[in-house]
Amino acid sequence: DQQVKQNSPSLSVQEGRISILNCDYTNSMFDYFLWYKKYPAEGPTFLISISSIKDKNEDGRFTVFLNKSAKHLSLHIVPSQPGDSAVYFCAAANNAGNMLTFGGGTRLMVKP
Amino acid sequence: KAGVTQTPRYLIKTRGQQVTLSCSPISGHRSVSWYQQTPGQGLQFLFEYFSETQRNKGNFPGRFSGRQFSNSRSEMNVSTLELGDSALYLCASSLVGFGSPLHFGNGTRLTVT
Repeated sequence: DQQVKQNSPSLSVQEGRISILNCDYTNSMFDYFLWYKKYPAEGPTFLISISSIKDKNEDGRFTVFLNKSAKHLSLHIVPSQPGDSAVYFCAAANNAGNMLTFGGGTRLMVKP
Repeated sequence: KAGVTQTPRYLIKTRGQQVTLSCSPISGHRSVSWYQQTPGQGLQFLFEYFSETQRNKGNFPGRFSGRQFSNSRSEMNVSTLELGDSALYLCASSLVGFGSPLHFGNGTRLTVT
């Protein structure tokens, strides 16, 4: 039973436009959510996080939105750049634990 | 500040052997976690250590074990290797407390033949 799902395996976006990556979860006990970016042959790189007491968090070009009632979060990248091309994973945790449950990832391709 | 360091980067082992992977966390990070990444199962949590004690454990068989030393460095061991253990093993470290994200190393790629 997948508790965290990323339903789009891939996404293609033009440079300069907005990239929107989506993530759904089923466990209502999750209270901390994170997004990671991963290049081949490297470990995941932390991008941005949000706690369940917030519905939005911004860091530069990256914004994460959390809709607790829908159990849905999204990552917006504006503007998208070719260097953003990577696999993006959402992850969730509960009770401040470090046991992350990951989604399956979405491959983002930003075309010049 | 140096990142999470994992050694070795690549390993090739034979079925039935055992293997030990090493992880040095970011300086000041006392929590170390291990994850397995495979094409079929994605990223899965193995276990977490804090202050030399295992705090959480994922759903993996007892062949997978780990430990943490007093300097926060950690090792994981897999005994009686199976072909299905071929994977990228990732170590992550973090500060303790809510809102402290995990920072990952570049992993050890284990191939079991």
